Amino acid sequence: TQLLEQSPQFLSIQEGENLTVYCNSSSVFSSLQWYRQEPGEGPVLLVTVVTGGEVKKLKRLTFQFGDARKDSSLHITAAQPGDTGLYLCAEVGAGSYQLTFGKGTKLSVIP
Amino acid sequence: NAGVTQTPKFRILKIGQSMTLQCTQDMNHNYMYWYRQDPGMGLKLIYYSVGAGITDKGEVPNGYNVSRSTTEDFPLRLELAAPSQTSVYFCASRKGPTNEKLFFGSGTQLSVL
Repeated sequence: TQLLEQSPQFLSIQEGENLTVYCNSSSVFSSLQWYRQEPGEGPVLLVTVVTGGEVKKLKRLTFQFGDARKDSSLHITAAQPGDTGLYLCAEVGAGSYQLTFGKGTKLSVIP
Repeated sequence: NAGVTQTPKFRILKIGQSMTLQCTQDMNHNYMYWYRQDPGMGLKLIYYSVGAGITDKGEVPNGYNVSRSTTEDFPLRLELAAPSQTSVYFCASRKGPTNEKLFFGSGTQLSVL
């Protein structure tokens, strides 16, 4: 089973600051998904990255897939309180029906 | 569309009791999953199904059972509940096996005392 390491585990920042969270593996990802989970709710998909070096943008969120496909990052510009939540990365195994999730980064954006 | 619906939202069980967590989806998805989420531990896969009549174990299947008699429903059965099964349980579904989006229910918070 591939292990996904997410860092940092917790992050508390002021509104308007920028931040980056990371997802790393010792093995090559087939593809990677990022989810955001708000308290009391299930995770919601933000993006899927497939190609090494790929960059995707979703408003103030920028997702990057490492060239070697062993790491990914999520950068948030000018964080807002609505960005508060648990950010999870998930590896979609090649030829597998399963998704493996990291432990997540819990983000708090203070107004 | 209702998406993925889980019931109940909260439940307290005594040690040794049994219960079934219900999950239904109205998106005609073949692939369905049960995860548990413990604080600081992310999501761990309990069981999954790739279609009606087909189920398979995930990472943490001990103490649980599933069935998939229809495409829509994927109930999770806890027999002889133990305190270690205190967790938040999420059901999820998706259309295809690879990069398809996973749709989650809103979860069942279970406490075993």
